[in-house]
Amino acid sequence: EAAVTQSPRNKVTVTGGNVTLSCRQTNSHNYMYWYRQDTGHGLRLIHYSYGAGNLQIGDVPDGYKATRTTQEDFFLLLELASPSQTSLYFCASSDRVEQYFGPGTRLTVL
Amino acid sequence: GDSVTQTEGLVTLTEGLPVMLNCTYQSTYSPFLFWYVQHLNEAPKLLLKSFTDNKRPEHQGFHATLHKSSSSFHLQKSSAQLSDSALYYCALRATSSGQKLVFGQGTILKVYL
Repeated sequence: EAAVTQSPRNKVTVTGGNVTLSCRQTNSHNYMYWYRQDTGHGLRLIHYSYGAGNLQIGDVPDGYKATRTTQEDFFLLLELASPSQTSLYFCASSDRVEQYFGPGTRLTVL
Repeated sequence: GDSVTQTEGLVTLTEGLPVMLNCTYQSTYSPFLFWYVQHLNEAPKLLLKSFTDNKRPEHQGFHATLHKSSSSFHLQKSSAQLSDSALYYCALRATSSGQKLVFGQGTILKVYL
């Protein structure tokens, strides 16, 4: 079965802090995604990529950077974290049909 | 732009009763539609997709039919089970957008004895 892992699973930081969320997939999928999940908003796409070195802007990109270093690894960067970025973050990879989600990272910005 | 609307935030019903979760969409192109399910403290995973070689998509007793005339892809099940309690997302992939999905707000289904 498809495997997507995320680290850390939980993170607490302060306003203005610097945070990096990591995602690794072992599915050999070209596409990878970062979402945030918030009650009342569902899953919203932050950034995505279709291969190493590629980055596509999602629907809610403000305040986030991302980098795809290899086919397996996709990182989400919050350089000046704000309380509005407190959320549950999911990474996913996809084949031509289905997206496979990681277990999520819960981020709290105080 | 593309959008998905799930009008019910919460649906509660008794075990054994039929389930219907609403999903409507707007898209410039002819999209593919999906249902994802997320159980408590788990990741979302695919439940159904709209393209299945002319067969009605069905999984775990759930089914959905894509109606292009009404831009809908409602999720149905004839008899709810306690284990169906979860968060359900309807999602759209426009044929022009590569592999990008647009998700609805989600509907929480709670099934009681």
